[in-house]
Amino acid sequence: RKEVEQDPGPFNVPEGATVAFNCTYSNSASQSFFWYRQDCRKEPKLLMSVYSSGNEDGRFTAQLNRASQYISLLIRDSKLSDSATYLCVVNIGNTPLVFGKGTRLSVIA
Amino acid sequence: DGGITQSPKYLFRKEGQNVTLSCEQNLNHDAMYWYRQDPGQGLRLIYYSQIVNDFQKGDIAEGYSVSREKKESFPLTVTSAQKNPTAFYLCASGRTGDPEAFFGQGTRLTVV
Repeated sequence: RKEVEQDPGPFNVPEGATVAFNCTYSNSASQSFFWYRQDCRKEPKLLMSVYSSGNEDGRFTAQLNRASQYISLLIRDSKLSDSATYLCVVNIGNTPLVFGKGTRLSVIA
Repeated sequence: DGGITQSPKYLFRKEGQNVTLSCEQNLNHDAMYWYRQDPGQGLRLIYYSQIVNDFQKGDIAEGYSVSREKKESFPLTVTSAQKNPTAFYLCASGRTGDPEAFFGQGTRLTVV
């Protein structure tokens, strides 16, 4: 079983749409959770951390469900510039980050 | 400006040659990491170091070697023993106790 699993997509959505990605993780000892964004042929960059209480940053909302071991990312009012691959990332203690394979989003005009 | 720098951005090598990828950071981070990414795949950990003069193997260390003689530098050598070296190599750094990683721009290695 893979440690972090994501639907690879692609998700093709029109501008202005709301889109949600889910991610599941296998290790119940995971402590920290993140969404990173990676543009084509570029390095990943932190989009947002994910907390149990849920957190929002503008059009982006992240949720964590520890009981079911899944993380979600909701993007409202999608923009063309949101087109990218979104990587679900988990961490246990002082160990390196574990990355999912990513979900590709394409926002279409 | 503080940051993490990888060089070169593109690298071509003949099969059978060793090649060293550079990674330098001036963020005063203790931890540094090397990941490999293949097309359509996630990042896979090659090696990591949490302190100078110490490093650990990641999930796919075979055919690679590293050194950490200075806090700022964590070079990765891709040896001829690596069967499929063509990939996008990403170096990252982070603070001790803080899981967030900061990435360099990556080196795209092509072996012909």
